[in-house]
Amino acid sequence: GQQLNQSPQSMFIQEGEDVSMNCTSSSIFNTWLWYKQDPGEGPVLLIALYKAGELTSNGRLTAQFGITRKDSFLNISASIPSDVGIYFCAGRWGGADGLTFGKGTHLIIQP
Amino acid sequence: GAVVSQHPSWVICKSGTSVKIECRSLDFQATTMFWYRQFPKQSLMLMATSNEGSKATYEQGVEKDKFLINHASLTLSTLTVTSAHPEDSSFYICSATDDGSYEQYFGPGTRLTVT
Repeated sequence: GQQLNQSPQSMFIQEGEDVSMNCTSSSIFNTWLWYKQDPGEGPVLLIALYKAGELTSNGRLTAQFGITRKDSFLNISASIPSDVGIYFCAGRWGGADGLTFGKGTHLIIQP
Repeated sequence: GAVVSQHPSWVICKSGTSVKIECRSLDFQATTMFWYRQFPKQSLMLMATSNEGSKATYEQGVEKDKFLINHASLTLSTLTVTSAHPEDSSFYICSATDDGSYEQYFGPGTRLTVT
C-alpha cells in the first residue's frame, strides 16, 4: 500500500531544543493527522488538520496542513524527556476512509 | 471517552492454527472499524475496512480468506488469522470511527507471535 514520505527518519536532540518533522504525499488528502506511538502501544492522536492552510496548536505542538493538500509539518517546541517516541503523520481522503501513514520519525532526546 | 480495547493484548500460537483478535469500542458506536498491521520498526499499514452488517473491504495484497473479519455489532469487530504462519507474526492494531464525530480512535494493539 501507499506510504507517505516522512522525514527525518530519526532525530537526536538535546532536551529543550525545538523539533521539526514533515510529511509529503504524491496525492491529495482532505485530512492530515499526527500521532505519537510508544513501544508496544497503539498510536495516540496529537493534532488533526481539516483545512488546507490550517495551522493548529496543542500545547507545545504546532502542525500545519499544506496549502497544496499534499504535505504537513509538525513542530515541537522546548522538547522534554517524555516527548521521546515515534511520531507518525497520516492522511485521509474521506471521513469514512482508513488512514495512510508515514514511515515515522523516531525522536530521541539526549540528556 | 472514546476508548477502544483489543483482546488479547498478546498471543503466541503454533503454525497452522487460527487466532481471533477482538476490537471493541467501549463508549461509542462504530459502524466502521479498521484493521492495521505493523511489522517491527515499520509503519502501520491498512489491511481492511470492517463495516457493521456487511462484508469487509480488503486492501490490495491482503488475502481475505486468510484474514477473516466479522463486524457483528456496532461495538465489536473481530479479525481471525487462519492457518497462521511465522510470517504473520506482527502487531495488529484496530481503530474505530465514532459515528458521530468521524474521529478514528486506535486500540492498544495485539502482538501475535506464530511459532
